[in-house]
Amino acid sequence: QKEVEQNSGPLSVPEGAIASLNCTYSDRGSQSFFWYRQYSGKSPELIMFIYSNGDKEDGRFTAQLNKASQYVSLLIRDSQPSDSATYLCAVNRKGGSEKLVFGKGTKLTVNP
Amino acid sequence: NAGVMQNPRHLVRRRGQEARLRCSPMKGHSHVYWYRQLPEEGLKFMVYLQKENIIDESGMPKERFSAEFPKEGPSILRIQQVVRGDSAAYFCASSPPGTSGGSKYFGPGTRLTVT
Repeated sequence: QKEVEQNSGPLSVPEGAIASLNCTYSDRGSQSFFWYRQYSGKSPELIMFIYSNGDKEDGRFTAQLNKASQYVSLLIRDSQPSDSATYLCAVNRKGGSEKLVFGKGTKLTVNP
Repeated sequence: NAGVMQNPRHLVRRRGQEARLRCSPMKGHSHVYWYRQLPEEGLKFMVYLQKENIIDESGMPKERFSAEFPKEGPSILRIQQVVRGDSAAYFCASSPPGTSGGSKYFGPGTRLTVT
């Protein structure tokens, strides 16, 4: 079982719709969860982090965490073509060395 | 406030040469991480350093790869005798001290091509 799993996509949504990106992780000791956006040929850009169960909202983005199910998601409301990118889920283990374990990413395309 | 800086942005090396990648963390950040991204692959952790200390090198290949973060100057990732399989994007990230489990901010990366 991979440590962090994401559906590779591509996920295609129309402009203005809600995009839902999902991630599962295997290590129950994980304590911090991050979503990064990566445009083609660019570096990862941090867009959200979440530490506690529940929802965390920041503008058009909502991160959801369910530690019992080992599941974290990212919702993007009112999707824009500029949101088209690969979204990387990353997990940090409690008491670990601070390294982030990344999923392979989900490629999102928002169609005008 | 400048972000994480990496240079060079692009590096071409022939097989057998050495590659040196440099990373200057964000101002006030003392933790540096190196990641490698192979084409169509996810980011893989390589090494975590603090000033003058390697904290976790569990992701570093056993041979040819080394990293340092001296008291003065940037962090260096060194690859000796490069092979074609080393061709990848190498990203550096940094975080401030005292932020266990906190956010890491990435630099623009160095794209290494081995010919």
